[in-house]
Amino acid sequence: EVQLVESGGGLVQPGGSLRLSCAVSGFTFSTYEMIWVRQAPGTGLEWVSYISDGGHTVYYADSVRGRFSISRDDAKNSLYLQMNSLRAGDTAVYYCARLGRDSGNWFDPWGQGTLVTVSS
Amino acid sequence: QSVLTQPPSVSAAPGQKVTISCSGSTSNIGDNYVSWYQQFPGTAPKLLIYDDNKRPSGIPDRFSGSKSGTSATLGITGLQTGDEADYYCGTWDTSPGAGWVFGGGTKLTVL
Repeated sequence: EVQLVESGGGLVQPGGSLRLSCAVSGFTFSTYEMIWVRQAPGTGLEWVSYISDGGHTVYYADSVRGRFSISRDDAKNSLYLQMNSLRAGDTAVYYCARLGRDSGNWFDPWGQGTLVTVSS
Repeated sequence: QSVLTQPPSVSAAPGQKVTISCSGSTSNIGDNYVSWYQQFPGTAPKLLIYDDNKRPSGIPDRFSGSKSGTSATLGITGLQTGDEADYYCGTWDTSPGAGWVFGGGTKLTVL
């Protein structure tokens, strides 16, 4: 069974840092592109970051560029999101997801999400 | 303000059909495949439709997708109370720095 499990969320003060992890199983992680998507309370989905298979290409949303860093460890079947200089506006549930093959324009499956709350 | 525009809510009676629209531009829907996701409260989104009109294994054929120009549509026939959820469209946007974009979501109520 394909599974993605996020961890690392929690309460952090503005300006602080957190590192999210996404442990995957049930597929050959190293051959898939991956992304992070977030959802602020009561709002819609917002793409955050992308990493290619192999990790050589990364993209970031303008809202997090320069503060967040995506990475992967294929040996550990894990995806990461290092979040620095956190702001109240970063408060959200963060989901990791696998990109679909071919068009790469779809995400399946998604993890269950991990909540990040930025507040003093 | 989301890049893709969806109606905030739609409603229909059990057994009926409903459509949810997703409007974009030439830099996103007009030039890239669209996907659709279903999300129940407190749970992760689930893929319903990919590449405009393809259904993943396990998704009933009551769900369909279509696209014309810069707009896409999700159709649901034979509505069931269990279809009550939020629905999101998404695609890649080729505008500089845009990345993947989503609609604001549509709340489906089955009356």
